[in-house]
Amino acid sequence: QQQVKQSPQSLIVQKGGISIINCAYENTAFDYFPWYQQFPGKGPALLIAIRPDVSEKKEGRFTISFNKSAKQFSLHIMDSQPGDSATYFCAASSGGSTLGRLYFGRGTQLTVWP
Amino acid sequence: EAGVAQSPRYKIIEKRQSVAFWCNPISGHATLYWYQQILGQGPKLLIQFQNNGVVDDSQLPKDRFSAERLKGVDSTLKIQPAKLEDSAVYLCASSWDRGTYEQYFGPGTRLTVT
Repeated sequence: QQQVKQSPQSLIVQKGGISIINCAYENTAFDYFPWYQQFPGKGPALLIAIRPDVSEKKEGRFTISFNKSAKQFSLHIMDSQPGDSATYFCAASSGGSTLGRLYFGRGTQLTVWP
Repeated sequence: EAGVAQSPRYKIIEKRQSVAFWCNPISGHATLYWYQQILGQGPKLLIQFQNNGVVDDSQLPKDRFSAERLKGVDSTLKIQPAKLEDSAVYLCASSWDRGTYEQYFGPGTRLTVT
């Protein structure tokens, strides 16, 4: 059972446009929601993360929007650049016996055309 | 600061053979994770160590997979015997502590079982 559902599977955006990737979850115990960026042949790299006590977090061109009541969160990439072309994964984690275990979405392959 | 190191980067074996992967985490990181990433999917946690003790191995196929982290630093993941469905990228990650959610990933080992 997929704990975190991610969409779309692939996304093509023109340079300068806004890229939006969405994720949904069911487990209300999740209290940490990171986004990872992965380039071919590399491991995932932490991009930005949010906790459920805030509705939005912005770091440079990257913004996480979080809707606790809807159990959804999304990544917005403003002014998308060809260098942003990569696979993006949302993830979630909680405390308790599974403390530290990240549940990943299936990923979104982003292509930014120049 | 050096990142998470993994070796080998690529491995091709025949089914029923055995294979081992090595990981050296970021210096000072107490928590070490092994993830399996099947093509087209997000990483899935196999096992989590806190120093040299196992704290989460509930998703590790223990009939064929084993892992150890001697002296609380380097770790080795072994598969014996390998099956075709074990073909994947095996990622090692580390974090300061189990309670700190930020995980840093290595480049991974791509395993192909023929």
